[in-house]
Amino acid sequence: DVKVTQSSRYLVKRTGEKVFLECVQDMDHENMFWYRQDPGLGLRLIYFSYDVKMKEKGDIPEGYSVSREKKERFSLILESASTNQTSMYLCASSQTRQGSGDTEAFFGQGTRLTVV
Amino acid sequence: GQNIDQPTEMTATEGAIVQINCTYQTSGFNGLFWYQQHAGEAPTFLSYNVLDGLEEKGRFSSFLSRSKGYSYLLLKELQMKDSASYLCAAGGYQKVTFGIGTKLQVIP
Repeated sequence: DVKVTQSSRYLVKRTGEKVFLECVQDMDHENMFWYRQDPGLGLRLIYFSYDVKMKEKGDIPEGYSVSREKKERFSLILESASTNQTSMYLCASSQTRQGSGDTEAFFGQGTRLTVV
Repeated sequence: GQNIDQPTEMTATEGAIVQINCTYQTSGFNGLFWYQQHAGEAPTFLSYNVLDGLEEKGRFSSFLSRSKGYSYLLLKELQMKDSASYLCAAGGYQKVTFGIGTKLQVIP
């Protein structure tokens, strides 16, 4: 079974802190994603990566950065946490199939981040 | 741009059939995913349609019409445990765009 593991289930941080959310997958997937999920807004893509050291902005990248130094690990960084970044953060991974799009995404259990 | 529409809430009775619709307008479309998400949990994969038509998988079926930008998820013989959010997602190359999800409540 594919396993996507996020480092924390719950996290409370203060405004202005630098926050690191870590995600590891064990299926050698090429693609990794960071989403945030908010009531009434659904899953919104923050950043994604399709290879080591590669990154692409999603729909809402402002206030975030990412790092992918190894294929299995994708980190989301909040440079200076703000209260409007309080949310559920979900990491996912998938494989690319040439000519027919990607496989389904496998999600981590989520990190509920509260910024106070 | 990416645009996916699905109803925000639905209610259905245990043992009944419910159809959750999804319309999409996306660039670089490859296929349509459906995910199930129980409250407080991560989404889990249900189905993926690439070609037009109906795909059946047990009590769940999914339909796609590429020309109409339309899909639906059909749940038969509803059970209480089917109470969850159902997310429609349009897959492109290396990127998937999600709808806001349909919260389904199954009542006795």
